[in-house]
Amino acid sequence: AQSVAQPEDQVNVAEGNPLTVKCTYSVSGNPYLFWYVQYPNRGLQFLLKYITGDNLVKGSYGFEAEFNKSQTSFHLKKPSALVSDSALYFCAVRFTGTASKLTFGTGTRLQVTL
Amino acid sequence: EPEVTQTPSHQVTQMGQEVILRCVPISNHLYFYWYRQILGQKVEFLVSFYNNEISEKSEIFDDQFSVERPDGSNFTLKIRSTKLEDSAMYFCASSFGGGPNQPQHFGDGTRLSIL
Repeated sequence: AQSVAQPEDQVNVAEGNPLTVKCTYSVSGNPYLFWYVQYPNRGLQFLLKYITGDNLVKGSYGFEAEFNKSQTSFHLKKPSALVSDSALYFCAVRFTGTASKLTFGTGTRLQVTL
Repeated sequence: EPEVTQTPSHQVTQMGQEVILRCVPISNHLYFYWYRQILGQKVEFLVSFYNNEISEKSEIFDDQFSVERPDGSNFTLKIRSTKLEDSAMYFCASSFGGGPNQPQHFGDGTRLSIL
């Protein structure tokens, strides 16, 4: 069965420092991986996706993610965190097939402080 | 930028009552989804819908649930006889294509509270 795991409930980082939010996955076959962000009282906002090709994927708001097949990981990164990046971040995986569901991780709360 | 819109933002209903949650997907999107998020838990898939048919549904989506696209713009989720455990945030999503590389775009959700 496909699944994603986010091992950290919360990540704290100072503004201006690099941030990493971790995600590992388990799928049979090629993974289709996504990151979403959720601000308070809002829906999930698409950040980026990995389908195939370059292992470093660039997305919205300066975020990027690194796909590592040997470690089955897809960590979200940003070189310099902003206070406004504070939110809940979800990693998700999707199977092959049409209209297939997203399977989400448990989420990681990112807290960026001054 | 086009958005998925959901109404109402908050719905309070007595247990056993029927509730309809409404969504207007992005206008040129063809694939529609419902997810839910119980407070403090992860987002869970309920159902996907394409060409006026359910494509996939989870074990949560039992006979109490139904979906409909009654016209060219709305996509609804009906819960026939609500239970306390149906209290959750319900998210509608849509995508242009159905392939796994297509990102799904989410609305802001409807918070459903069952009393």
